[in-house]
Amino acid sequence: QKEVEQNSGPLSVPEGAIASLNCTYSDRGSQSFFWYRQYSGKSPELIMFIYSNGDKEDGRFTAQLNKASQYVSLLIRDSQPSDSATYLCAVQYDQGGKLIFGQGTELSVKP
Amino acid sequence: GAVVSQHPSWVICKSGTSVKIECRSLDFQATTMFWYRQFPKQSLMLMATSNEGSKATYEQGVEKDKFLINHASLTLSTLTVTSAHPEDSSFYICSARDLGQSAGELFFGEGSRLTVL
Repeated sequence: QKEVEQNSGPLSVPEGAIASLNCTYSDRGSQSFFWYRQYSGKSPELIMFIYSNGDKEDGRFTAQLNKASQYVSLLIRDSQPSDSATYLCAVQYDQGGKLIFGQGTELSVKP
Repeated sequence: GAVVSQHPSWVICKSGTSVKIECRSLDFQATTMFWYRQFPKQSLMLMATSNEGSKATYEQGVEKDKFLINHASLTLSTLTVTSAHPEDSSFYICSARDLGQSAGELFFGEGSRLTVL
């Protein structure tokens, strides 16, 4: 059973702080990793993807991957109230494109 | 990013009726589409993989006869919830992979919220 685990939160951070979201996965053969953001009542939207060990930065977002530890994280710098949403970690195990999602972490950024 | 459109966004139906949800890739061809279901406060659960021109592949525990999937063209997949019951009320989301994108990331439709009375 391939599993993706996230801390469901809620995670509350003050505006301007760094939000750190974590995700672990069970299958060492996992190939690609994705972070999606989902606002209440809406479908997920892609924030970032990463498939190599290390860091990948895109604006205020940094994804970090450590395949040895089977761990992927998302850092949000200078958090804004508009970042308040549920963040979903997704793992792709093969070339077929199927994604397995974690349960999501609810982030609340307080003004 | 690529655009995936889903219709309808909201549907309310009576118990025992069937409901069809359409998923279209608007600016790319998708040989494979994925159907997810999401209950309130829960994550996305993959229901099935829709393959253009062939039968869908269902995840364990998902009833094939209950959730009919048809992928007749490279831009359209449909999910039909047959003989719907209140427990089928959920948020159904389709997604597609644009192979022209660098990582083959999935793009999601807007979702269809089904309420069965």
